[in-house]
Amino acid sequence: DIQMTQSPSTLSASVGDRVTITCRASQSISSWLAWYQQKPGKAPKLLIYKASSLESGVPSRFSGSGSGTEFTLTISSLQPDDFATYYCQQYNSYSLRAFGQGTKVEIK
Amino acid sequence: EVQLVESGGGLVQPGGSLRLSCAASGFTFSSYWMSWVRQAPGKGLEWVANIKQDGSEKYYVDSVKGRFTISRDNAKNSLYLQMNSLRAEDTAVYYCARDRALTGGDYWGQGTLVTVSS
Repeated sequence: DIQMTQSPSTLSASVGDRVTITCRASQSISSWLAWYQQKPGKAPKLLIYKASSLESGVPSRFSGSGSGTEFTLTISSLQPDDFATYYCQQYNSYSLRAFGQGTKVEIK
Repeated sequence: EVQLVESGGGLVQPGGSLRLSCAASGFTFSSYWMSWVRQAPGKGLEWVANIKQDGSEKYYVDSVKGRFTISRDNAKNSLYLQMNSLRAEDTAVYYCARDRALTGGDYWGQGTLVTVSS
């Protein structure tokens, strides 16, 4: 089974900071990786798909990169609305759609 | 507008059963894979199961195999999750999501809470 590992688990940052979250897959998933944002009590929201494609309506300060086993989500200038938990998910195969354990972005 | 609305959650005793439903609207339900994803209190997201457009393929996470069954009724635009032999560790908010080959889960419901406790 493919395992997804995110780092860090928690990140403290200030408004305006550049933030980077890493996701590693235990084996190659090509570019079949999505990033989600989740706020407390809410459903996850798709931000990035196919590793680097921005979902419609998502601000351009969010970007994704990587392929194979190493991926990153970058927020170029952190905004107050961005304090949330972020998850990566591999969707290389319909038979297993594993998530990373999440990264909580907190106010510094 | 795409909408997914889950229902059927509640309090159930260990060993009991529950059937979750997800009503879909705003898109051609029969054209998409659908998934169930859960989140235990204070924990991360866990993919549970998914089902192909015509129901011919179904996949499950190991921890629910043999206990949970995913199904769909395309005539009713509805997705289901039959949960049997429930355990305390199945306590979670259960989300249904539209599952696309290109994007993964692009639309999600608001979730329904399942609590397994005596």
